[in-house]
Amino acid sequence: EVQLLESGGGLVQPGGSLRLSCAASGFTFSSYAMSWVRQAPGKGLEWVSSISGSGVSTYYADSVKGRFTISRDNSKNTLYLQMNSLRAEDTAVYYCAKDQSTGTWQVELLFDSWGQGTLVTVSS
Amino acid sequence: DLQMTQSPSSLSASVGDRVTITCRASQGISNYLAWYQQKPGKAPKLLIYAASTLQSGVPSRFSGSGSGTVFTLTISSLQPEDVATYFCQKYNSAPPAFGQGTKVELK
Repeated sequence: EVQLLESGGGLVQPGGSLRLSCAASGFTFSSYAMSWVRQAPGKGLEWVSSISGSGVSTYYADSVKGRFTISRDNSKNTLYLQMNSLRAEDTAVYYCAKDQSTGTWQVELLFDSWGQGTLVTVSS
Repeated sequence: DLQMTQSPSSLSASVGDRVTITCRASQGISNYLAWYQQKPGKAPKLLIYAASTLQSGVPSRFSGSGSGTVFTLTISSLQPEDVATYFCQKYNSAPPAFGQGTKVELK
């Protein structure tokens, strides 16, 4: 059974930093692209970033480009999101999500498994 | 960037009713369209991909259709457990984009 467990969320001041983690199990982690998708309180879903299974290819939403960095450690089956220069508008539940199809070098962007989410609140 | 627009934004229907939600893409996306169901306080769940393929384990009362720029999600007979918000998503290329969501409630 696929399991994705996010951690690292919390309260941070504007301009601060936070690193989210997503521990994966139940599948061959290195064979699948992974993504972060966020949801502001009471709002819809917003794609944030994706990374190929190998970690070579990364993609970012314009709203986070230059501030957020996605990475993965395939030896630890863990996905990360380093978030710097945080703004109030980054406040959201952050979900990690797995691609449905294998993709060592590319991303599919079709999400068949999601974690439970971790809440990031940016406020002074 | 390509935009996804859902309608209606919310609807109220009775148990057993047929419910249809529409999703429109601002540009053609072939059949690279997925539908997700999200219940309050929970993560989204993949229902349909490739516009009309039912994800494993999803009840057959859910169906999808469309290609190009107009897509529909249909619940043939609404059940109490279907109360949720439904999102469409295009995944033909980055950035993937979601519709704004359709909240389905019981009348």
